[in-house]
Amino acid sequence: SQTIHQWPATLVQPVGSPLSLECTVEGTSNPNLYWYRQAAGRGLQLLFYSVGIGQISSEVPQNLSASRPQDRQFILSSKKLLLSDSGFYLCAWGRLRGYTFGSGTRLTVV
Amino acid sequence: GENVEQHPSTLSVQEGDSAVIKCTYSDSASNYFPWYKQELGKRPQLIIDIRSNVGEKKDQRIAVTLNKTAKHFSLHITETQPEDSAVYFCAASPLGSGSARQLTFGSGTQLTVLP
Repeated sequence: SQTIHQWPATLVQPVGSPLSLECTVEGTSNPNLYWYRQAAGRGLQLLFYSVGIGQISSEVPQNLSASRPQDRQFILSSKKLLLSDSGFYLCAWGRLRGYTFGSGTRLTVV
Repeated sequence: GENVEQHPSTLSVQEGDSAVIKCTYSDSASNYFPWYKQELGKRPQLIIDIRSNVGEKKDQRIAVTLNKTAKHFSLHITETQPEDSAVYFCAASPLGSGSARQLTFGSGTQLTVLP
């Protein structure tokens, strides 16, 4: 079956610490993958998308980076977190019928 | 690129009443319009979608209408229930390449159904 996994579910990190969020997809090959952030509990802000291994497009300048080391793996990283990086991070898999979202990571930077 | 506007940003209705959320899009090449429901703290989930070759689609209490000429589409929820309370997102997508689409989302509508 085709599924998307995202972890961790929640994370509390101090300012200046590194970040690594992981997303994996099962049951498909060469998926389009996306990272979104929700701040203030509402809008979906597209951060990065990838159409293949090593191919990353950034939508907004920011403190974050993304990598796709394997076909079905998408990683969101930061070397030094800022308070403004707090939010709900969602990985998404682009399919013919829209997106399937991961379960999300609630990141709190303290 | 595509721009999607969504209104209203918040909507409160009495249980049993209807709720309508409206979206407009800018790219005439868009031909796929999904709606997502996001409950508090959870992932957005697809609830209904419509393609540009039809003007209306229904699924039980939920319906979506599309006006290609005016470039707007709407979500209609009838006989609202408290469990309909959530944030709703509209989205639009032009013709995709391969088997995937890239969606542009509206800003979301917080629907509250009052008992």
